[in-house]
Amino acid sequence: EADIYQTPRYLVIGTGKKITLECSQTMGHDKMYWYQQDPGMELHLIHYSYGVNSTEKGDLSSESTVSRIRTEHFPLTLESARPSHTSQYLCASSGTAIYGYTFGSGTRLTVV
Amino acid sequence: AQKITQTQPGMFVQEKEAVTLDCTYDTSDPSYGLFWYKQPSSGEMIFLIYQGSYDQQNATEGRYSLNFQKARKSANLVISASQLGDSAMYFCAMSELWNNDMRFGAGTRLTVKP
Repeated sequence: EADIYQTPRYLVIGTGKKITLECSQTMGHDKMYWYQQDPGMELHLIHYSYGVNSTEKGDLSSESTVSRIRTEHFPLTLESARPSHTSQYLCASSGTAIYGYTFGSGTRLTVV
Repeated sequence: AQKITQTQPGMFVQEKEAVTLDCTYDTSDPSYGLFWYKQPSSGEMIFLIYQGSYDQQNATEGRYSLNFQKARKSANLVISASQLGDSAMYFCAMSELWNNDMRFGAGTRLTVKP
């Protein structure tokens, strides 16, 4: 049973639409992360949060935004989707370094 | 700043043979953790194995072992008795314990041949 959930699993959407990718975890982890990954390529950190009301931009510049109103919830929003946003988005959470990150199953976004 | 290097974009191995995936890292922090993840074509990231910087012995988890050479700053993953299901992307990662944020290498695509 997954402890971190991402929805939707797949999404095809038209250019200009607003979308929100959901990520929720049940482990009580303070730290949460969003990565963007093209197929077969490396992971790029785009956002992270160390707790409620804390959000930071990652290494890769992204037009997306995030919020952290509750510990368990870390949604990512694109106000106006473009074809360049087509990618996989992976959410992760972390309690202690010993166990590393727990990843969600990812959202594969296609913008047409 | 920490950095992870995986120099093998792709690797091939015959079924039932062993394979080593290379990973080197760079950090000035004496306390860190090293991780390997497997990513099959379905896209999810699966945690495989962990090695702490102060661990005296190499980590092992079933068919996975981590060849940790601290002085050389390398943390190679060894997969014994490869199976067709091992075909996937493999990512090496490191976190410094003071902030717990993880950095990933570029990945190695492993293909197991029947």
